[in-house]
Amino acid sequence: QKEVEQNSGPLSVPEGAIASLNCTYSDRGSQSFFWYRQYSGKSPELIMFIYSNGDKEDGRFTAQLNKASQYVSLLIRDSQPSDSATYLCAVNTNAGKSTFGDGTTLTVKP
Amino acid sequence: GAVVSQHPSRVICKSGTSVKIECRSLDFQATTMFWYRQFPKKSLMLMATSNEGSKATYEQGVEKDKFLINHASLTLSTLTVTSAHPEDSSFYICSAITGTSETQYFGPGTRLLVL
Repeated sequence: QKEVEQNSGPLSVPEGAIASLNCTYSDRGSQSFFWYRQYSGKSPELIMFIYSNGDKEDGRFTAQLNKASQYVSLLIRDSQPSDSATYLCAVNTNAGKSTFGDGTTLTVKP
Repeated sequence: GAVVSQHPSRVICKSGTSVKIECRSLDFQATTMFWYRQFPKKSLMLMATSNEGSKATYEQGVEKDKFLINHASLTLSTLTVTSAHPEDSSFYICSAITGTSETQYFGPGTRLLVL
């Protein structure tokens, strides 16, 4: 079992729809959770992080964390073609190192 | 703020040569820098953790004698791929954190091609 699992996709949504990206992790001691966006050929850029159970909203993005279920998700509202990218879920343990999932490729169709 | 640069952005070298990649934090002091490698359509694999003034901590399976890491100052870490071979061709990305923050700021990456 991978430490951080994501559906590889591709996930395709129409412009304006909500895109839902999911991530599960195996280490119950994980403390911090991050979502990164990576365009093809580029390095990751941070979208948002979440530490506590519940929802955290930042503009069109909402991160949801459920530690009991070891599940973290990212919702993108009003999806735009520019949101088309690979989304990486990263999980930090007490040691502070990040373990990344393989990413979910999102395509937003105009 | 929190800008990380890498140099070079792209390098092509012959098999057997060594390649040095620099990672710099431009507007903050990086207490810790991380080096990752990413193969096509795969996720980032952590190679090593580098703290200023101390030896790097390598992940299991990463040869420390092949991937030399130096973190001589709070703004610069270098990764040297020694005696590079075609299988070392990859996208190498560094990231940096400062203080107690866990947020990693990534450099733009270096694409290495070994012929």
